[in-house]
Amino acid sequence: SQQGEEDPQALSIQEGENATMNCSYKTSINNLQWYRQNSGRGLVHLILIRSNEREKHSGRLRVTLDTSKKSSSLLITASRAADTASYFCATDGGQGAQKLVFGQGTRLTINP
Amino acid sequence: GAGVSQSPSNKVTEKGKDVELRCDPISGHTALYWYRQRLGQGLEFLIYFQGNSAPDKSGLPSDRFSAERTGESVSTLTIQRTQQEDSAVYLCASSRRVGEKLFFGSGTQLSVL
Repeated sequence: SQQGEEDPQALSIQEGENATMNCSYKTSINNLQWYRQNSGRGLVHLILIRSNEREKHSGRLRVTLDTSKKSSSLLITASRAADTASYFCATDGGQGAQKLVFGQGTRLTINP
Repeated sequence: GAGVSQSPSNKVTEKGKDVELRCDPISGHTALYWYRQRLGQGLEFLIYFQGNSAPDKSGLPSDRFSAERTGESVSTLTIQRTQQEDSAVYLCASSRRVGEKLFFGSGTQLSVL
């Protein structure tokens, strides 16, 4: 399956530290996306990185993509208590594939 | 509307009953997705629509599950003869076009007793 797998499943760090989450996937992709889910329901889109991009930044977020290793990482710098959430990567399965498939997520806890 | 709207937000039903879950996507969004999320788990893909057509129904767990979309707008997910294992949050999302970022609704928490 094309499903992404996040690593680690859970991460607990102190406020101010950097948090790194990894995502591996199995098929080719057109793009890879990262989402955040606070306790509750809806997910919020963070970043979309295309298969021909290697790195992308948005505020305190940095995403890298290595298509040769079929992996991506999400770095949150200078973490805050409000960053506590679950983070998911999602992949589209590449040429001709259009459904967006999510991984199991990383539960990030930022301790004050 | 300003965002993706799902109703009801909570649904409690008895085993064996049918339920209908509704999703109103952002106006003008051609792609619409349904996912299921069990407690503490990731998102399980169910089905997506491009316009009113469903090119990929591969995620529907059984023939008790069906979905439709009309007017390139509202979508309904129907679960017939509900079972306890159907208990989960059902999330709907839409995007302007397939391949672009998704905007999620707040989900419907379904509890089958």
